[in-house]
Amino acid sequence: EAQVTQNPRYLITVTGKKLTVTCSQNMNHEYMSWYRQDPGLGLRQIYYSMNVEVTDKGDVPEGYKVSRKEKRNFPLILESPSPNQTSLYFCASSETRTSGRPDTQYFGPGTRLTVL
Amino acid sequence: GQSLEQPSEVTAVEGAIVQINCTYQTSGFYGLSWYQQHDGGAPTFLSYNALDGLEETGRFSSFLSRSDSYGYLLLQELQMKDSASYFCAVTVTTDSWGKLQFGAGTQVVVTP
Repeated sequence: EAQVTQNPRYLITVTGKKLTVTCSQNMNHEYMSWYRQDPGLGLRQIYYSMNVEVTDKGDVPEGYKVSRKEKRNFPLILESPSPNQTSLYFCASSETRTSGRPDTQYFGPGTRLTVL
Repeated sequence: GQSLEQPSEVTAVEGAIVQINCTYQTSGFYGLSWYQQHDGGAPTFLSYNALDGLEETGRFSSFLSRSDSYGYLLLQELQMKDSASYFCAVTVTTDSWGKLQFGAGTQVVVTP
């Protein structure tokens, strides 16, 4: 089954304790990205990756890191989480159009993160 | 700056037609997408427009006018299961690649 998986689905942590949210897709997609969703703000892109070892900042990258060492995986790293990073996080993957622009986004189930 | 505007909420009865408008101000516009999200779920793709005009997919249609920086999603023959949030998203080109920017979402409430 074609899918995007994220782990963990729920996480409660404390300020400053490093954490990683994993994301994996089995569709051989080049493009992967991370979004955070907050009430009234919709989905905001954190980072995206066009392919292995190619990443770029989205609209809200502060406080986050990513890596793309394998095509299928795109982990999101919070080196020192703070309460304002409490949010619902979605990973997504897509093919790229002939122009290189991202195509339809396939979203993972989401990770609800609470930072105390 | 870059922005997308869509109404926060729309209420309609079963069987009705609902139009959700989306206006955008952005540089490097490449295309407009629509996604549906039910409470507690992940967004799922509905429609994409890169060129002006209407795209129809079953009960849902999407329209784009690039000259007006405007698009809409039309939901016809509304069903209770259509109660969800609907997001417009623009694909914008960057120096090398592209990224997506989403609107804040429109909550559609379908009543019996």
